[in-house]
Amino acid sequence: KQEVTQIPAALSVPEGENLVLNCSFTDSAIYNLQWFRQDPGKGLTSLLLIQSSQREQTSGRLNASLDKSSGRSTLYIAASQPGDSATYLCAVISGGSNYKLTFGKGTLLTVNP
Amino acid sequence: EAGVTQFPSHSVIEKGQTVTLRCDPISGHDNLYWYRRVMGKEIKFLLHFVKESKQDESGMPNNRFLAERTGGTYSTLKVQPAELEDSGVYFCASSQVQLGNTQYFGPGTRLTVL
Repeated sequence: KQEVTQIPAALSVPEGENLVLNCSFTDSAIYNLQWFRQDPGKGLTSLLLIQSSQREQTSGRLNASLDKSSGRSTLYIAASQPGDSATYLCAVISGGSNYKLTFGKGTLLTVNP
Repeated sequence: EAGVTQFPSHSVIEKGQTVTLRCDPISGHDNLYWYRRVMGKEIKFLLHFVKESKQDESGMPNNRFLAERTGGTYSTLKVQPAELEDSGVYFCASSQVQLGNTQYFGPGTRLTVL
């Protein structure tokens, strides 16, 4: 059974700092991994999707890496801004799972001005 | 292009009542998923439709939950009768496998059972 863990559970940083959010999964046979952002009371916004054959994906100030063999992914946020404050969720689709996502509990990020 | 929409945004019902949640996926997306987050827990998968067929319903908690996707367009999730532990946020997502299967989520329906 796939399990996804995100560390830390909460993170508070000053504006401008570069930061890394961590995600680990127990079964390395994944189809893809997706990072989401959730603002309070809102739905999930897809940030980046990494296919199992890829090592990283970039979008603007965000860079996500994937190391399948060690069961880890990181989300790097450069030059953080107060608008980046949100909960960041990592989710994987396990191979042969009919595309269902298994989520971690998320990291609550606060960027202080 | 419109995103995934869900209705209602909030629902408060008494234990034993029936509630129906609706999801409209992104136009052209064959895959539709229901997920749920209960207080303090991670988001968990409920079921997956491909067009009008149930592909995987392994996450449905019990037979009080019934999901349908008539004509392969919108989907409904009915809870009958509702219990206290059904409270949570119900999310719908849709995807198109040919586009890498990125799942796009709706805003969710917050269900409170009193």
